[in-house]
Amino acid sequence: AQKVTQTQTSISVMEKTTVTMDCVYETQDSSYFLFWYKQTASGEIVFLIRQDSYKKENATVGHYSLNFQKPKSSIGLIITATQIEDSAVYFCAMRENNNRIFFGDGTQLVVKP
Amino acid sequence: VTLLEQNPRWRLVPRGQAVNLRCILKNSQYPWMSWYQQDLQKQLQWLFTLRSPGDKEVKSLPGADYLATRVTDTELRLQVANMSQGRTLYCTCSAAGGANTGQLYFGEGSKLTVL
Repeated sequence: AQKVTQTQTSISVMEKTTVTMDCVYETQDSSYFLFWYKQTASGEIVFLIRQDSYKKENATVGHYSLNFQKPKSSIGLIITATQIEDSAVYFCAMRENNNRIFFGDGTQLVVKP
Repeated sequence: VTLLEQNPRWRLVPRGQAVNLRCILKNSQYPWMSWYQQDLQKQLQWLFTLRSPGDKEVKSLPGADYLATRVTDTELRLQVANMSQGRTLYCTCSAAGGANTGQLYFGEGSKLTVL
């Protein structure tokens, strides 16, 4: 069974709007770490934002924020005021305490002018 | 300054041959180094995390066999063998400051294409 699931294959939005990308995960660990990364057209993979499972407050970095719903094992990424440059593939990831890392299949975001 | 340098960046692999990839860490404050594979469908899969010089691990996945070695505090290697004919694969390394908690910093990746 897949440990990290991103159900949205592709999303297209207009510039300056808000987009939400879904991610659900599965783990038996009581403590784990959740991340979002983006991969640009050049192939570069860049860290965006992180949520530690023991923290109740949703993480926010710049125009990225998270909707962490622990009872639902859900960690959605919210991008506000989207820009053309936000067009990329977005990966949700989970690190467990045994050092294993799991990625979702990615969501392609297209931001249109 | 780029944290990780990968070489080669691209390699045509004759069928049946293995290829050796290197990942060089520029800042030893991020000692947890890892390898990943990514196929053309963009599916990103973690392969190994090796912390200490001398650490080695092997893994066989559909389409390729892998042997990872932590050579030094700043060098991680990956040998890729038995790649399926006609396959294109990207191998990327990462570094992190903590075992589980650190965010990952990725290299630029190596593209392997089997003839």
